[in-house]
Amino acid sequence: SQQGEEDPQALSIQEGENATMNCSYKTSINNLQWYRQNSGRGLVHLILIRSNEREKHSGRLRVTLDTSKKSSSLLITASRAADTASYFCATVFGNEKLTFGTGTRLTIIP
Amino acid sequence: EADIYQTPRYLVIGTGKKITLECSQTMGHDKMYWYQQDPGMELHLIHYSYGVNSTEKGDLSSESTVSRIRTEHFPLTLESARPSHTSQYLCASSSDRPSTDTQYFGPGTRLTVL
Repeated sequence: SQQGEEDPQALSIQEGENATMNCSYKTSINNLQWYRQNSGRGLVHLILIRSNEREKHSGRLRVTLDTSKKSSSLLITASRAADTASYFCATVFGNEKLTFGTGTRLTIIP
Repeated sequence: EADIYQTPRYLVIGTGKKITLECSQTMGHDKMYWYQQDPGMELHLIHYSYGVNSTEKGDLSSESTVSRIRTEHFPLTLESARPSHTSQYLCASSSDRPSTDTQYFGPGTRLTVL
C-alpha cells in the first residue's frame, strides 16, 4: 500500500483564496517532499522538509511537518489560475527511494 | 526546467510489438528511475538505477526491462506490448550527493497499446 495519502482528493477554490492540502504517511521518514504535476506532464519538485524541521516556506508555499502525527500540510497562499494541478507528497526513508501519495487535484476558479 | 528528456511523448502501438521508451538526462546524475502512472493515480516505481551497470526492480512488478550502459541514458523496453501496459511512463533522476533526494522528472511518455 502507498506510504502517503493526500486529503482531500480534489479541491476547487476561487482565485486569490488559500489552498490547503494534507498528507499522511505510515513509517518513519528522512524527509518529505511536495511535487506538482500539470495535466499529462512530469512532476516538478516544490519543496523538501526534513524530519527535524517543523515548518518551511518557499514563496507562496508553506509546508508543515508533524512527525508525531505522521502528517504534513501544504498551504498555497493567494492562489492563481496557474496553480491548477495535481499535488503529490512523497516520503523518503533509508534507501532514498521516493514513495508517492495519492495526490490532491487542485482547481483554481478564475 | 529540468534537463531530462523522454521520447516519444506519445506512442500508440499494436499488441505484440516491441517498444523502447527513451530517457536521457544531461545533469550528470547517477540515480535514475522509471515510474508508471495511470491517469489521476499515484506514481509507482517500476525500475531504478544507482549508476552504470546497476539496475533494480521497483515496488511495482513490471514486465518491462531497463539497461544503464551510460550515465545519461536509461531506456525502458517492453518485448511484447499488451493493452495492460497502457499507461503513462515517467523517468526521473537525482543527484548522488548526500542528503539530496530531490528528483527531476521528464515530461513522460503516454503509451497506448491497442
